[in-house]
Amino acid sequence: EAGVVQSPRYKIIEKKQPVAFWCNPISGHNTLYWYRQNLGQGPELLIRYENEEAVDDSQLPKDRFSAERLKGVDSTLKIQPAELGDSAVYLCASSLYNEQFFGPGTRLTVL
Amino acid sequence: AQSVTQPDIHITVSEGASLELRCNYSYGATPYLFWYVQSPGQGLQLLLKYFSGDTLVQGIKGFEAEFKRSQSSFNLRKPSVHWSDAAEYFCAVDDNAGNMLTFGGGTRLMVKP
Repeated sequence: EAGVVQSPRYKIIEKKQPVAFWCNPISGHNTLYWYRQNLGQGPELLIRYENEEAVDDSQLPKDRFSAERLKGVDSTLKIQPAELGDSAVYLCASSLYNEQFFGPGTRLTVL
Repeated sequence: AQSVTQPDIHITVSEGASLELRCNYSYGATPYLFWYVQSPGQGLQLLLKYFSGDTLVQGIKGFEAEFKRSQSSFNLRKPSVHWSDAAEYFCAVDDNAGNMLTFGGGTRLMVKP
């Protein structure tokens, strides 16, 4: 069984540029999560989807971050414009029941 | 709001020695508790979880954890550490059976030969 796929694995951009991350969850998993993991810290939830619906986006900085999960499968997380403080690893996870499966993450560096 | 504290940022143990990683949580009701491991450049892998029942939980890779309600703790243990166990370990608490995880800050484990 394929795991959670994320791309790109690494991204370096200059501040004020836009950036997008893509996630393909495990087949059949209805719930999808985006987390941000700052250096030396644990992951923090940004947004949770149940199928196509964003059911918890309270931690998503909506002035510059957006996310979508069309057709309840793949998801894209976008930052526009990026700031220096957005440098982090962005993790995607999916779940069917009570265990979350994580992808390898996208390491974003904003210069 | 729930919170998780991992008091030890770094721990170094010799290969073959025993290991205990500490985790304390703050939550008003019976929590769901998890331990994850993250190797460099990798995502998080679930080691074990506690929902209810026996307070001593067995996981993968020879790890176990014990839930102690009176101490609000869920410490991770392994009797004999292998060099491949070097990684970062995260404790997490949830109030919705795995859907709303709050992570601790992590403990980085280094293993000496």
